[in-house]
Amino acid sequence: QVQLVQSGAEVKKPGASVKVSCKASGYTFTTYYIHWLRQAPGQGLEWVGVINPGLGSTSYAPSIEGRVSLTRDTSTTTVYMELSGLRSDDTAIYFCARVAAPGSALLQYDHWGQGTLVIVSS
Amino acid sequence: EIVMTQSPATLSVSPGDRATLSCRASQSVTSDLAWYQQKPGQSPRLLIYDASTRATGIPARFSGSGFGTEFTLTISSLQSEDLAVYYCQQYDVWPTFGEGTKVEIK
Repeated sequence: QVQLVQSGAEVKKPGASVKVSCKASGYTFTTYYIHWLRQAPGQGLEWVGVINPGLGSTSYAPSIEGRVSLTRDTSTTTVYMELSGLRSDDTAIYFCARVAAPGSALLQYDHWGQGTLVIVSS
Repeated sequence: EIVMTQSPATLSVSPGDRATLSCRASQSVTSDLAWYQQKPGQSPRLLIYDASTRATGIPARFSGSGFGTEFTLTISSLQSEDLAVYYCQQYDVWPTFGEGTKVEIK
Protein backbone atom coordinates (compact mmCIF):
# COMPACT_ATOMS: atom_id res chain seq x y z
CA GLN A 1 0.00 0.00 0.00
CA VAL A 2 1.08 3.57 -0.61
CA GLN A 3 2.87 5.14 2.35
CA LEU A 4 4.60 8.46 2.94
CA VAL A 5 6.60 8.41 6.17
CA GLN A 6 8.14 11.64 7.41
CA SER A 7 11.01 12.32 9.77
CA GLY A 8 10.50 13.39 13.37
CA ALA A 9 9.89 16.73 15.02
CA GLU A 10 12.56 19.42 15.00
CA VAL A 11 13.31 22.39 17.24
CA LYS A 12 15.48 25.06 15.68
CA LYS A 13 16.71 28.54 16.53
CA PRO A 14 15.90 31.56 14.37
CA GLY A 15 18.23 31.79 11.40
CA ALA A 16 19.00 28.08 11.34
CA SER A 17 18.05 25.54 8.68
CA VAL A 18 15.95 22.40 8.86
CA LYS A 19 15.73 19.39 6.56
CA VAL A 20 12.66 17.17 6.65
CA SER A 21 12.42 13.84 4.84
CA CYS A 22 9.48 12.00 3.29
CA LYS A 23 10.06 8.35 2.40
CA ALA A 24 7.68 6.94 -0.20
CA SER A 25 6.78 3.29 -0.66
CA GLY A 26 4.17 1.11 -2.31
CA TYR A 27 4.24 2.70 -5.77
CA THR A 28 6.60 3.76 -8.57
CA PHE A 29 8.40 6.68 -6.93
CA THR A 30 9.46 8.51 -10.09
CA THR A 31 6.02 8.78 -11.67
CA TYR A 32 4.06 10.78 -9.06
CA TYR A 33 4.71 14.41 -8.16
CA ILE A 34 5.16 15.14 -4.45
CA HIS A 35 4.02 18.42 -2.92
CA TRP A 36 4.92 19.97 0.43
CA LEU A 37 2.42 21.95 2.48
CA ARG A 38 2.50 23.45 5.92
CA GLN A 39 0.00 24.25 8.64
CA ALA A 40 0.77 26.78 11.34
CA PRO A 41 -0.76 26.08 14.78
CA GLY A 42 -4.54 26.35 14.59
CA GLN A 43 -4.38 27.60 11.00
CA GLY A 44 -5.19 26.38 7.50
CA LEU A 45 -3.00 24.75 4.87
CA GLU A 46 -0.37 26.62 2.84
CA TRP A 47 1.34 25.27 -0.25
CA VAL A 48 5.16 25.25 -0.06
CA GLY A 49 6.31 23.64 -3.30
CA VAL A 50 6.38 20.62 -5.61
CA ILE A 51 8.99 18.24 -6.97
CA ASN A 52 8.96 15.85 -9.90
CA PRO A 53 10.80 12.88 -8.40
CA GLY A 54 11.68 11.54 -11.83
CA LEU A 55 13.38 14.66 -13.18
CA GLY A 56 14.12 16.50 -9.95
CA SER A 57 12.45 19.65 -11.29
CA THR A 58 10.80 21.92 -8.73
CA SER A 59 8.48 24.86 -8.25
CA TYR A 60 7.98 26.92 -5.10
CA ALA A 61 5.44 29.25 -3.55
CA PRO A 62 6.50 32.88 -4.10
CA SER A 63 6.15 33.61 -0.38
CA ILE A 64 8.90 31.13 0.50
CA GLU A 65 10.97 30.91 -2.67
CA GLY A 66 14.64 31.57 -2.05
CA ARG A 67 14.56 29.93 1.38
CA VAL A 68 13.20 26.49 0.46
CA SER A 69 14.76 23.66 -1.53
CA LEU A 70 13.16 20.36 -2.51
CA THR A 71 15.37 17.45 -3.51
CA ARG A 72 15.00 13.72 -3.97
CA ASP A 73 17.03 10.55 -3.73
CA THR A 74 15.68 7.96 -6.14
CA SER A 75 17.82 5.18 -4.61
CA THR A 76 15.99 5.51 -1.30
CA THR A 77 12.67 6.82 -2.71
CA THR A 78 12.91 9.80 -0.39
CA VAL A 79 12.02 13.45 -0.93
CA TYR A 80 13.59 16.18 1.19
CA MET A 81 12.47 19.69 2.09
CA GLU A 82 15.13 22.08 3.38
CA LEU A 83 14.11 25.45 4.76
CA SER A 84 16.76 28.02 5.62
CA GLY A 85 16.74 31.35 7.44
CA LEU A 86 14.12 30.05 9.84
CA ARG A 87 11.79 32.58 11.47
CA SER A 88 9.22 32.16 14.23
CA ASP A 89 6.42 32.22 11.66
CA ASP A 90 7.89 29.12 10.03
CA THR A 91 6.68 27.18 13.08
CA ALA A 92 4.23 24.69 11.61
CA ILE A 93 3.47 21.09 10.79
CA TYR A 94 5.00 20.28 7.41
CA PHE A 95 3.28 17.65 5.26
CA CYS A 96 4.34 15.84 2.12
CA ALA A 97 1.50 14.74 -0.13
CA ARG A 98 1.28 12.72 -3.34
CA VAL A 99 -0.64 13.89 -6.39
CA ALA A 100 -3.36 11.41 -7.27
CA ALA A 101 -2.37 10.55 -10.87
CA PRO A 102 1.01 9.69 -12.46
CA GLY A 103 2.64 12.41 -14.50
CA SER A 104 0.31 15.17 -13.25
CA ALA A 105 1.80 18.10 -11.36
CA LEU A 106 -1.53 19.57 -10.32
CA LEU A 107 -4.37 17.47 -8.99
CA GLN A 108 -5.85 16.49 -5.70
CA TYR A 109 -3.69 14.77 -3.06
CA ASP A 110 -4.59 11.14 -2.41
CA HIS A 111 -1.93 10.24 0.16
CA TRP A 112 -0.35 12.36 2.87
CA GLY A 113 2.58 11.92 5.22
CA GLN A 114 1.88 12.00 8.94
CA GLY A 115 3.34 15.50 9.26
CA THR A 116 6.51 16.85 10.87
CA LEU A 117 6.34 19.55 13.52
CA VAL A 118 9.02 22.21 13.13
CA ILE A 119 9.31 24.65 16.02
CA VAL A 120 11.41 27.78 15.61
CA SER A 121 12.23 29.33 18.96
CA SER A 122 15.12 31.08 20.60
CA GLU B 1 -3.10 33.65 -6.46
CA ILE B 2 -6.64 32.29 -6.34
CA VAL B 3 -8.22 33.03 -2.97
CA MET B 4 -10.58 30.40 -1.59
CA THR B 5 -13.21 31.56 0.91
CA GLN B 6 -15.15 29.07 3.04
CA SER B 7 -18.31 29.62 5.02
CA PRO B 8 -19.38 29.32 7.70
CA ALA B 9 -16.27 29.20 9.87
CA THR B 10 -18.08 26.94 12.34
CA LEU B 11 -21.17 24.79 11.80
CA SER B 12 -23.09 23.10 14.62
CA VAL B 13 -25.25 20.22 13.44
CA SER B 14 -27.29 17.59 15.27
CA PRO B 15 -26.56 13.92 14.50
CA GLY B 16 -28.66 12.78 11.57
CA ASP B 17 -29.13 16.30 10.19
CA ARG B 18 -27.76 17.68 6.94
CA ALA B 19 -24.61 19.83 6.91
CA THR B 20 -23.94 22.20 4.01
CA LEU B 21 -20.48 23.77 3.63
CA SER B 22 -19.65 26.43 1.06
CA CYS B 23 -16.48 27.36 -0.79
CA ARG B 24 -16.01 30.29 -3.15
CA ALA B 25 -13.07 30.92 -5.50
CA SER B 26 -11.90 34.43 -6.40
CA GLN B 27 -11.82 33.38 -10.07
CA SER B 28 -13.04 30.37 -11.98
CA VAL B 29 -11.33 27.06 -11.24
CA THR B 30 -13.75 25.14 -13.49
CA SER B 31 -14.13 21.79 -11.64
CA ASP B 32 -10.56 21.62 -10.28
CA LEU B 33 -11.75 21.54 -6.68
CA ALA B 34 -11.18 19.06 -3.87
CA TRP B 35 -12.53 18.72 -0.34
CA TYR B 36 -10.53 17.30 2.57
CA GLN B 37 -11.47 16.28 6.10
CA GLN B 38 -8.97 16.84 8.90
CA LYS B 39 -9.57 15.42 12.35
CA PRO B 40 -7.57 16.68 15.34
CA GLY B 41 -3.97 15.47 15.27
CA GLN B 42 -4.35 13.83 11.85
CA SER B 43 -3.34 14.55 8.28
CA PRO B 44 -6.00 15.72 5.85
CA ARG B 45 -8.04 13.00 4.13
CA LEU B 46 -9.32 13.36 0.57
CA LEU B 47 -13.13 13.27 0.37
CA ILE B 48 -14.11 14.74 -3.01
CA TYR B 49 -12.18 15.66 -6.16
CA ASP B 50 -13.13 17.21 -9.48
CA ALA B 51 -15.80 19.04 -7.48
CA SER B 52 -18.18 16.08 -7.25
CA THR B 53 -16.35 12.73 -7.39
CA ARG B 54 -16.08 10.81 -4.14
CA ALA B 55 -12.64 9.45 -3.35
CA THR B 56 -12.10 5.75 -2.74
CA GLY B 57 -13.74 4.50 0.44
CA ILE B 58 -15.64 7.70 1.20
CA PRO B 59 -19.21 7.10 2.46
CA ALA B 60 -22.09 8.07 0.20
CA ARG B 61 -23.35 10.62 2.74
CA PHE B 62 -20.59 12.95 1.49
CA SER B 63 -21.34 14.70 -1.80
CA GLY B 64 -19.90 17.66 -3.67
CA SER B 65 -21.32 20.03 -6.25
CA GLY B 66 -20.51 23.23 -8.09
CA PHE B 67 -18.49 24.62 -10.98
CA GLY B 68 -16.51 27.75 -11.66
CA THR B 69 -16.46 29.80 -8.47
CA GLU B 70 -19.16 28.34 -6.20
CA PHE B 71 -18.90 24.92 -4.57
CA THR B 72 -20.73 22.98 -1.88
CA LEU B 73 -19.90 19.98 0.28
CA THR B 74 -22.96 18.25 1.74
CA ILE B 75 -23.01 15.69 4.52
CA SER B 76 -26.50 14.24 4.18
CA SER B 77 -26.85 12.69 7.63
CA LEU B 78 -24.18 13.81 10.06
CA GLN B 79 -22.48 11.13 12.15
CA SER B 80 -20.50 11.75 15.33
CA GLU B 81 -17.30 10.68 13.57
CA ASP B 82 -17.73 13.56 11.09
CA LEU B 83 -16.50 16.02 13.73
CA ALA B 84 -13.60 17.66 11.90
CA VAL B 85 -12.38 20.67 9.96
CA TYR B 86 -13.17 20.59 6.25
CA TYR B 87 -11.00 22.34 3.67
CA CYS B 88 -11.57 23.08 0.02
CA GLN B 89 -8.58 23.26 -2.34
CA GLN B 90 -8.29 24.44 -5.92
CA TYR B 91 -5.75 22.88 -8.26
CA ASP B 92 -6.51 24.86 -11.39
CA VAL B 93 -3.32 26.81 -10.83
CA TRP B 94 -0.78 26.44 -8.02
CA PRO B 95 -2.73 25.09 -5.05
CA THR B 96 -4.57 27.22 -2.54
CA PHE B 97 -6.86 26.20 0.29
CA GLY B 98 -9.77 27.77 2.09
CA GLU B 99 -9.49 28.60 5.79
CA GLY B 100 -11.67 25.66 6.73
CA THR B 101 -15.09 25.00 8.24
CA LYS B 102 -15.18 23.38 11.65
CA VAL B 103 -18.11 20.98 12.01
CA GLU B 104 -19.31 20.55 15.56
CA ILE B 105 -21.83 18.07 16.84
CA LYS B 106 -24.76 19.87 18.44
